[in-house]
Amino acid sequence: TQLLEQSPQFLSIQEGENLTVYCNSSSVFSSLQWYRQEPGEGPVLLVTVVTGGEVKKLKRLTFQFGDARKDSSLHITAAQPGDTGLYLCAGAAEVGAGSYQLTFGKGTKLSVIP
Amino acid sequence: NAGVMQNPRHLVRRRGQEARLRCSPMKGHSHVYWYRQLPEEGLKFMVYLQKENIIDESGMPKERFSAEFPKEGPSILRIQQVVRGDSAAYFCASSPSKGLRTNEKLFFGSGTQLSVL
Repeated sequence: TQLLEQSPQFLSIQEGENLTVYCNSSSVFSSLQWYRQEPGEGPVLLVTVVTGGEVKKLKRLTFQFGDARKDSSLHITAAQPGDTGLYLCAGAAEVGAGSYQLTFGKGTKLSVIP
Repeated sequence: NAGVMQNPRHLVRRRGQEARLRCSPMKGHSHVYWYRQLPEEGLKFMVYLQKENIIDESGMPKERFSAEFPKEGPSILRIQQVVRGDSAAYFCASSPSKGLRTNEKLFFGSGTQLSVL
């Protein structure tokens, strides 16, 4: 069973602060995805990282995939109340015939206080 | 609306009743995934289906739970004789016809919140 550990589980910060959340595993994944989920809604994809060491930026969000493709981080610069939500990482692993399945971490619940 | 449609959004059942959750994938998608989410938890994989086939049901409890994706109509997740521990949000996601590739994303529905009294 492939497990993804996310930390911290909860994070409450003031508007304007920076933060980093982590996603770690002992398993290697073909790719890693980050989703954000609002209450009462399904997760929405933010980014997919595929190559070890890859860094992707999405406005104030920076995503990094570890060199060994076992871990990832999400850094948010100058957090805003609109960033509040549950951030989930998900690793893709092959289940056969070129088809993949996603395994999710438990998520980091971020609250940005105005 | 061309997104993944789930219904009902909220479902209340008493212990021992049956729950049926429906999922219509995005247009052109023939692969469906069901996930369960408990409060303050991530999504737990349950089952992966293709039209008329179950591809992977390794996350599905062995008793009371079943899933289908018929040739016509939505995918159905069925829970028989529900218990309080079944209370959770159930999410459906779909992917294109060839199944999820390593750099493809899943498209999620808004979920069904099941409450068992």
